[in-house]
Amino acid sequence: GENVEQHPSTLSVQEGDSAVIKCTYSDSASNYFPWYKQELGKRPQLIIDIRSNVGEKKDQRIAVTLNKTAKHFSLHITETQPEDSAVYFCAASKGMNDMRFGAGTRLTVKP
Amino acid sequence: KAGVTQTPRYLIKTRGQQVTLSCSPISGHRSVSWYQQTPGQGLQFLFEYFSETQRNKGNFPGRFSGRQFSNSRSEMNVSTLELGDSALYLCASSDRTNQETQYFGPGTRLLVL
Repeated sequence: GENVEQHPSTLSVQEGDSAVIKCTYSDSASNYFPWYKQELGKRPQLIIDIRSNVGEKKDQRIAVTLNKTAKHFSLHITETQPEDSAVYFCAASKGMNDMRFGAGTRLTVKP
Repeated sequence: KAGVTQTPRYLIKTRGQQVTLSCSPISGHRSVSWYQQTPGQGLQFLFEYFSETQRNKGNFPGRFSGRQFSNSRSEMNVSTLELGDSALYLCASSDRTNQETQYFGPGTRLLVL
């Protein structure tokens, strides 16, 4: 089955800096790649997603890039703010809700 | 639309007991997936139900089972509880017809003593 690896497991940045989280997947049939943000004590919330027919997608300070050949995708957060502090999960799916998650990255933004 | 709801929110059980957790999806969503979340293992996929049928199953022992009702509500059952079953159990719903986007419930935190 699909295997998703996520790095780094923890990331600490200064407010205003950029943060990058990387994920790799094993199943070349995967075609949907969402990113979730989970704040302490809360449920995971979708923040951005990308499909395999797109190489990059941006939403304000958040962007995701996908390299199908290398089977990796990345989350980029620019101008980080303290409220960006959370655990971020990447996931990969080949449809029909066969979704597998990475282990998560704990992002800390220091003011 | 109301979001995904889960009951109970917290549960304490002892080893050997069984437990049933409930999940009500977003209205109109027919797919419900269950995940186990632990600090060291992240989000582990348990199973997915669509139209009352289990469509996918993760790598968990047979003590973990589930079902879905005609109104799309889903239940998850864990029999013969072990200490290692202590976790946050999340369910997520999607409409499956267009996007695979999953919307998570608040979770049920299970503590096994």
